[in-house]
Amino acid sequence: NAGVMQNPRHLVRRRGQEARLRCSPMKGHSHVYWYRQLPEEGLKFMVYLQKENIIDESGMPKERFSAEFPKEGPSILRIQQVVRGDSAAYFCASSPGGGGPNEQFFGPGTRLTVL
Amino acid sequence: GEDVEQSLFLSVREGDSSVINCTYTDSSSTYLYWYKQEPGAGLQLLTYIFSNMDMKQDQRLTVLLNKKDKHLSLRIADTQTGDSAIYFCAEGDNTDKLIFGTGTRLQVFP
Repeated sequence: NAGVMQNPRHLVRRRGQEARLRCSPMKGHSHVYWYRQLPEEGLKFMVYLQKENIIDESGMPKERFSAEFPKEGPSILRIQQVVRGDSAAYFCASSPGGGGPNEQFFGPGTRLTVL
Repeated sequence: GEDVEQSLFLSVREGDSSVINCTYTDSSSTYLYWYKQEPGAGLQLLTYIFSNMDMKQDQRLTVLLNKKDKHLSLRIADTQTGDSAIYFCAEGDNTDKLIFGTGTRLQVFP
């Protein structure tokens, strides 16, 4: 059973370009979370999605950032018109949902560098 | 507001015990978690504790929870060089986001 997959692992963009980050959850997991980690800091929650629905986007910047988790295919975090401050590691996590502890399984992350 | 704090660094000798501390503010948290992050990698869930428990032991790991003081600790017995990593505590309920601490960098020296 493959773990959470993220691609690309490293992404370099120039200011003003678009960045698309992909996340395939673990098999059987219907809940996806995106977090951002700035250098030397902890992870900050961005958005929580279930299939075709955004459940909680309280951590998403109001502009330029969007996320989706379509019925088929991976979850996508999209950053339009990237700026230097967007440089960070972006982690995706998935969980099976249901009651009990929210055991989130993390992918290896995408490290975005904005030049 | 939600805030989780940890000390930044801990250095221990191989074979000694390590204790990593964490304080949190959200008294409604249902579960508290400990994650490990090795360089360049994602986070690995080590253990979690339900908020109505005081202690949980899992092999070399012991989690202590003082709910009154909102204090959580992770004790690693017989610390090895492979335990060198950043350790994050996190709080959350059973459905939504996790609030992570700032991380404690554990360095184990021979």
